[in-house]
Amino acid sequence: EPEVTQTPSHQVTQMGQEVILRCVPISNHLYFYWYRQILGQKVEFLVSFYNNEISEKSEIFDDQFSVERPDGSNFTLKIRSTKLEDSAMYFCASSRDSANTGELFFGEGSRLTVL
Amino acid sequence: KNEVEQSPQNLTAQEGEFITINCSYSVGISALHWLQQHPGGGIVSLFMLSSGKKKHGRLIATINIQEKHSSLHITASHPRDSAVYICAVLTQGGSEKLVFGKGTKLTVNP
Repeated sequence: EPEVTQTPSHQVTQMGQEVILRCVPISNHLYFYWYRQILGQKVEFLVSFYNNEISEKSEIFDDQFSVERPDGSNFTLKIRSTKLEDSAMYFCASSRDSANTGELFFGEGSRLTVL
Repeated sequence: KNEVEQSPQNLTAQEGEFITINCSYSVGISALHWLQQHPGGGIVSLFMLSSGKKKHGRLIATINIQEKHSSLHITASHPRDSAVYICAVLTQGGSEKLVFGKGTKLTVNP
């Protein structure tokens, strides 16, 4: 069964370093999303991506964050200068149709620890 | 005030019991998702609803748009159903921004 894959599963970094989290969405999906979940808190939307551009972003998704689909398969989240409060689980998801009309498929998550 | 409220926060059941998890929301929505988060952290989509009722195996999800309320039911619960169940909504107007509830932690004992 097709699945969304994320790498790395866990990354530890020093404050101020740049981090890239990678996602391979399901191949025929058109909508891509990043979410984050700080330990013990609810999941939060970061950004949605469609047709090679950001379609919507939350107030969390400031200039420190960027997303890219560098080739036909990868979807990356870059955090430019990490802060302690960026420590969280980051989930990638994809959907063939919009989340308004179709099922979301989530990756297993990338746990980011900022020291 | 959270836009999406779930109840109960925690639920413990005996194997075989019928489970109901509730979700209320305060905004107009275009769709509602029920998700399952495993103890290891991974998230699986269970249902996407915009009206009515859906059934998949032992799981049933209903939504009442007028009352801004949805329920997730699990029949004949099993210990493997133990997980956090999350309700998330998309606001009207074609937004892609899912707004999540805090989740309901379900524990099913054998």
